[in-house]
Amino acid sequence: GNSVTQMEGPVTLSEEAFLTINCTYTATGYPSLFWYVQYPGEGLQLLLKATKADDKGSNKGFEATYRKETTSFHLEKGSVQVSDSAVYFCALPYSGAGSYQLTFGKGTKLSVIP
Amino acid sequence: DAGVIQSPRHEVTEMGQEVTLRCKPISGHDYLFWYRQTMMRGLELLIYFNNNVPIDDSGMPEDRFSAKMPNASFSTLKIQPSEPRDSAVYFCASSSSGAFGNTIYFGEGSWLTVV
Repeated sequence: GNSVTQMEGPVTLSEEAFLTINCTYTATGYPSLFWYVQYPGEGLQLLLKATKADDKGSNKGFEATYRKETTSFHLEKGSVQVSDSAVYFCALPYSGAGSYQLTFGKGTKLSVIP
Repeated sequence: DAGVIQSPRHEVTEMGQEVTLRCKPISGHDYLFWYRQTMMRGLELLIYFNNNVPIDDSGMPEDRFSAKMPNASFSTLKIQPSEPRDSAVYFCASSSSGAFGNTIYFGEGSWLTVV
């Protein structure tokens, strides 16, 4: 099945720093790609997604571009805030573009300090 | 709209006891997933249902675990007997086959501690 690899954490940044969390994938075809975020004590929630190559997903100042040439979907934010401290998961359908089962990366914990 | 609702939010139980976790998916969703999250193993898919039918239970760790979905608005995950290594956060999630891009919506989780 499809798989995803994301950078190991934890990542600690100062407020207003630039953030990049790397994610690469192995997949059959061109499935949708997702970033989920998990705030402390909560469930995962969708942060952004891209459904086809060269699409850019964006939300809450975060962006990620679907790059089929490099099979990557890196998450970026220009200026992080303390409230962005969370665990971030890259994900894609387990097998096949139409699969409704997602496979997740191991998660990258981000801590933002004032 | 109400999201995925799980209960209990927190459960502390003694080893050997039966544990039942409950989930109400988002209305109209036809896929339901049970995940387990631990520090060591990360997020693992245990089982998922489509239209109340179990499709893939290969992630269920052993026979002590069982899951049911008697109707479209309710599912349970049962552990009997429970063991300390079952301590984890259990997430229920749901999705709609009609949703563009396969987005899965998660509940807040059930935090299980087995002592």
